[in-house]
Parts: sequence; structure tokens; C-alpha cells
Amino acid sequence: DGGITQSPKYLFRKEGQNVTLSCEQNLNHDAMYWYRQDPGQGLRLIYYSQIVNDFQKGDIAEGYSVSREKKESFPLTVTSAQKNPTAFYLCASSRTRVARPYNEQFFGPGTRLTVL
Amino acid sequence: AQTVTQSQPEMSVQEAETVTLSCTYDTSENNYYLFWYKQPPSRQMILVIRQEAYKQQNATENRFSVNFQKAAKSFSLKISDSQLGDTAMYFCAFMTDNTDKLIFGTGTRLQVFP
Repeated sequence: DGGITQSPKYLFRKEGQNVTLSCEQNLNHDAMYWYRQDPGQGLRLIYYSQIVNDFQKGDIAEGYSVSREKKESFPLTVTSAQKNPTAFYLCASSRTRVARPYNEQFFGPGTRLTVL
Repeated sequence: AQTVTQSQPEMSVQEAETVTLSCTYDTSENNYYLFWYKQPPSRQMILVIRQEAYKQQNATENRFSVNFQKAAKSFSLKISDSQLGDTAMYFCAFMTDNTDKLIFGTGTRLQVFP
């Protein structure tokens, strides 16, 4: 079955540690995204990538880093510079806008990160 | 700046009844796309329905339909014959034609009661 997987489902981190969240898709989508979700707020875009080896900052990129070495994979690293990393993180993928109107984003099941 | 506003933090409806969730957005663009996503307690985001701004006809997907008022920049979601499984957070989202970025509202928590 085609879809997006994220691992782990739950992640605990000590303050001062970097941690990497995994996101893999087998939908053959060019674009991938990382969102952060906090209680009472909508999803906020951290980083996105429209093609391999290229990515752009979203609205809240500070304290995060990404890579896009393969079309299927878009890992997110939460660095120690992120002041308040406890949140729910969602990965998504889509066709790019050249495929419009069939460009909706599909989401993974998410990773809950807790800083101890 | 482009924004999406959902003014109803929480809504409730009895099973089999109809409920409407509100969404307004702000943009100066003429071509764009609107979406409603559902996030049940599992937290998996699921696309419910989409609307292209250039289409005048309101989108419909089974029990879900939208009322798209372009001049008023309004995009409400109507759920007919509500079911217990409709209990979820519902997010309105918006994307312009010149980007792949989605802008989300803050969500409406819908509770369906038996």
C-alpha cells in the first residue's frame, strides 16, 4: 500500500540533545513537508522540499534542520537550539503544483516529541 | 499576509443531525485551492474535501459538502447525517496557485453525541 510512514511514534529527548525524526513516502511525490502542531494551534510549516537536494525554510525553521538526499525520504533534526521542542510533528507529501489540481497533501501518522 | 480563520473552537451535534463549520480566509490572489482536513483522535490528518477557486460549483463528497462564497472569502463545511466517527478536529486550509505551501486555520473540535 502507498503511504507515508513516520518513526518513531513517540520520542523522548533530554535537553541539549539533537534528535532526528524519520519520514518516508512511497507515493512517488516530489514535494515533502514538515509541520509542527501545538495544542490550540493549527499546523505550522517548518521546512519543505519540492525536489531532491533542495529545501526551503517554512514559517518556524529556527532550531530545525532537514535533508533531502532521496525522493522518498525527508528526515527532520530537532537541534538543541530549538527552545521549546515538545510538540506533535507531522510529515506530508504531495505532487508539485505542475500536477494541479491534483496536488493535495497526504500526511503521515505523526511523531510525538517530548523533552524531559 | 494570507490567513485562514476558524471562529468556532468547538462545536457539537447530535448523531444524524447536520452541522456547519465556518472558515474564512484572506488573500489578494485570484487562483487558489481550499481544503478541509479531519484529524480524529488518532491524529492522522485526512483530506475531507477540496475546492478549486475557479470552480463555481460547490464540492460534494458523500455526506460532506462546502458552501464556497468567493466574494465573501468564505468556505464552510456542512456535514449531513452526522455519525459518531465524525468526531474530530477539522482544519480549513488554503493554498495559492503559485506555491505548494498550505496555510491552516486553528481548527474546530467537533463532538458528535449519540
